[in-house]
Amino acid sequence: DAGVIQSPRHEVTEMGQEVTLRCKPISGHNSLFWYRQTMMRGLELLIYFNNNVPIDDSGMPEDRFSAKMPNASFSTLKIQPSEPRDSAVYFCASSLASGGTDTQYFGPGTRLTVL
Amino acid sequence: LAKTTQPISMDSYEGQEVNITCSHNNIATNDYITWYQQFPSQGPRFIIQGYKTKVTNEVASLFIPADRKSSTLSLPRVSLSDTAVYYCLVGPTDSWGKLQFGAGTQVVVTP
Repeated sequence: DAGVIQSPRHEVTEMGQEVTLRCKPISGHNSLFWYRQTMMRGLELLIYFNNNVPIDDSGMPEDRFSAKMPNASFSTLKIQPSEPRDSAVYFCASSLASGGTDTQYFGPGTRLTVL
Repeated sequence: LAKTTQPISMDSYEGQEVNITCSHNNIATNDYITWYQQFPSQGPRFIIQGYKTKVTNEVASLFIPADRKSSTLSLPRVSLSDTAVYYCLVGPTDSWGKLQFGAGTQVVVTP
C-alpha cells in the first residue's frame, strides 16, 4: 500500500493567494484527519471526516479555512486568502474506522510557506 | 479528553533503555493509552497502545499501573535512529478517532 498521499509536498505562496492542499487516504479507511503543526502550537487537529462527512471542525482556525471530502479517496484543505501566520506543516491522516483506538496513519505532510 | 503530561525532553546513549512516563490523572474508564513517534520532517507514526498492565511489541513496551493514572513507554536498547518526538495520547474508544497531541517528549540519542 502506498500509504497516505499528500500533495504538494512544499508550497510557497504570497499573502492573499488561495492555497489548496490535497490528500488521498489509504484505500478502505473510513476516517480522515487534517492536522497543522507549528513550533509554537505543536500538532493541532483541524477537522476530521468519517465516511466523507465532516464530524468535527472545531479546530479550524477561522473562515479562511475550509475542507472537503467529495469521495472516499480524496480530500482538500483550502485556505483563502492565505496569511503569513498560516505557514506550517499540514498533515493528513486516515484510519480504518472511527473508534478512538484506531491507529491513524499520517502522510508526509505539506510544508506551507506564506510570504 | 484526558489531559496528559510528559517530560519535554530526554537524553540517552546508544544501547541504553529509555523510559518515558506520561501522567494522565483524569483518565476515564473507557480511555485507551496510545503512543506515537515522530521523526523530523515526517508525520507521526503509531508505536503502541494499551488499556492496562503491560503491552509489548517489536518496537516498545507499555507499562500501565492498576490505577491507570500514568503510563510508561519503554524503548529497549535505543539507537541513534530512535531520536524522535514521542507523544502520549489518551482517548475513548468512541471518540471518532479524535486524539489530542500534546507537546511530546523529544528523545535525543547520542553515540
